[in-house]
Amino acid sequence: NAGVTQTPKFRVLKTGQSMTLLCAQDMNHEYMYWYRQDPGMGLRLIHYSVGEGTTAKGEVPDGYNVSRLKKQNFLLGLESAAPSQTSVYFCASSYRGSNDEQYFGPGTRLTVT
Amino acid sequence: ELKVEQNPLFLSMQEGKNYTIYCNYSTTSDRLYWYRQDPGKSLESLFVLLSNGAVKQEGRLMASLDTKARLSTLHITAAVHDLSATYFCAVPFMYSGGGADGLTFGKGTHLIIQP
Repeated sequence: NAGVTQTPKFRVLKTGQSMTLLCAQDMNHEYMYWYRQDPGMGLRLIHYSVGEGTTAKGEVPDGYNVSRLKKQNFLLGLESAAPSQTSVYFCASSYRGSNDEQYFGPGTRLTVT
Repeated sequence: ELKVEQNPLFLSMQEGKNYTIYCNYSTTSDRLYWYRQDPGKSLESLFVLLSNGAVKQEGRLMASLDTKARLSTLHITAAVHDLSATYFCAVPFMYSGGGADGLTFGKGTHLIIQP
């Protein structure tokens, strides 16, 4: 099992460009999450999904969109990147939500110039 | 709004010493999680605490949960250099319309253990 994987690992964008981050899990988990981690801020939840075709907003959803077309994949989109979105993005998944631990991917380091 | 506060945020200690990291949270929850993160790496689950009074131990680390006090502790016994990392606590929170809980994290405790 690969667990939770993320692509790409690194990316540099110019302000206004768009991109999609891909998260994939092979554990048959229902729940998937996107977090961002900024220095001194801990992790903050952006969006999450409780199953295929469903998504919900977390603490900091503005400027991001997500889709969960397949159970194993959770996509995070930035339509018009801003320097404030420079961060490390982590995807996570869990089997039954918050009664189970979340398994984290390796992260994507995004810089917006 | 849920607030999760950890203290200390930075801790430098010597090998062989004992210490405790504290995690306070502002709303009712009967569950809490502890994670470890090494520099430049992802998060690794340490403990899942699912009820009041829960205590779990793994090696030199022991975590406990007091839901009435809204407090969890992570105790380090006879610290060794390999435990140097950043430790996060996290509490479930139901964001509006989500239908399930996401996690709200503390800011993390950066722990350095010196030989």
